[in-house]
Amino acid sequence: NAGVTQTPKFQVLKTGQSMTLQCAQDMNHEYMSWYRQDPGMGLRLIHYSVGAGITDQGEVPNGYNVSRSTTEDFPLRLLSAAPSQTSVYFCASSYNRGTDTQYFGPGTRLTVL
Amino acid sequence: DAKTTQPPSMDCAEGRAANLPCNHSTISGNEYVYWYRQIHSQGPQYIIHGLKNNETNEMASLIITEDRKSSTLILPHATLRDTAVYYCIVRVAYIQGAQKLVFGQGTRLTINP
Repeated sequence: NAGVTQTPKFQVLKTGQSMTLQCAQDMNHEYMSWYRQDPGMGLRLIHYSVGAGITDQGEVPNGYNVSRSTTEDFPLRLLSAAPSQTSVYFCASSYNRGTDTQYFGPGTRLTVL
Repeated sequence: DAKTTQPPSMDCAEGRAANLPCNHSTISGNEYVYWYRQIHSQGPQYIIHGLKNNETNEMASLIITEDRKSSTLILPHATLRDTAVYYCIVRVAYIQGAQKLVFGQGTRLTINP
């Protein structure tokens, strides 16, 4: 199993540009989520999904959209990038609505100029 | 959400036991304590979790006080590869029955040769 994969690893955007961060898992996990990590602030939950077709907001959802058309994929869309979205983004998955161990991807380092 | 308090940094000699403390005095009765670690800028890696009993696995031991207000992660024979940021996390129930991990600031553990 590849586990949780994320692409790209690094990305630089200009303010106002849009892009999609990709996340995929091959463990048939129901639950997938997106976190962002900023210096001195730990990880904060952006959006999560408890299964295909079901998504909801986390702690810091503004400026981000998600969808879950398949069990395997959970892309995160930045609609109009802002410098405040400069961060490292991690995707995670687990079997059962997050009650089991969550497995994290390697992260995407995003810089918005 | 229950919050955790950890020392910002600790040092430990290679081969010795590393004991990482965590306070979670506002934890609720059904909230689990999880420990993850993050090596360099990789995705967080699961270590261990518990509710009220002490737990042990191949990586570490988790000691939870009887009142559940604090816990200690023990790495029995620390190696240089254990140098990382260690997060003590309370898993809280979220909407739609999902769970989320509430990350704090973590403890930066340095293993010295």
